[in-house]
Amino acid sequence: KQEVTQIPAALSVPEGENLVLNCSFTDSAIYNLQWFRQDPGKGLTSLLLIQSSQREQTSGRLNASLDKSSGRSTLYIAASQPGDSATYLCAVANTGGFKTIFGAGTRLFVKA
Amino acid sequence: NAGVMQNPRHLVRRRGQEARLRCSPMKGHSHVYWYRQLPEEGLKFMVYLQKENIIDESGMPKERFSAEFPKEGPSILRIQQVVRGDSAAYFCASSPGGQLAQKGYTFGSGTRLTVV
Repeated sequence: KQEVTQIPAALSVPEGENLVLNCSFTDSAIYNLQWFRQDPGKGLTSLLLIQSSQREQTSGRLNASLDKSSGRSTLYIAASQPGDSATYLCAVANTGGFKTIFGAGTRLFVKA
Repeated sequence: NAGVMQNPRHLVRRRGQEARLRCSPMKGHSHVYWYRQLPEEGLKFMVYLQKENIIDESGMPKERFSAEFPKEGPSILRIQQVVRGDSAAYFCASSPGGQLAQKGYTFGSGTRLTVV
């Protein structure tokens, strides 16, 4: 049974810092891994999608890496801004791609 | 090109009433997934449907909850005889399915159910 864990549960940093959010999963037979952002009371916005055959994906100030063998992914946010404050969710789709398991999220607060 | 549409955005029901949540997938998407998010918790998988078929309902409570995705129209998540513990945000996601599932999920904005 796939389990997804995100560390830390909450993070508070000053504006401008580079930061890393961690995601680990127990079953390495994954189809893809997706990072989402959720603002309070809102839906989910997809940030980055990494296929099982890929090692990383980049979009602007965001970089996500994937190491299937160790069951880990990291989301790197460069030069953080107050607008980055949100909950970041890691989601793993098992082989077949149809059922995605979410981590509990990391709640990020970037102080101005 | 509308995204995943969920309605209503907010729903208030008294204990014992029925709640119906609707989800229209993105155009061209034939796979729909329902997730529930309890306050201060992550998203929990409920059910995965394709048109007219339930593929995986392993996350659905055995009683009072049902889901459908008819040939025509939106997917419906139905909760009968709601209780206070059903209060949560219910999110719907869709994907193209098959090899196109590599594109991942697109989520709707959710329906926030409050049972009073």
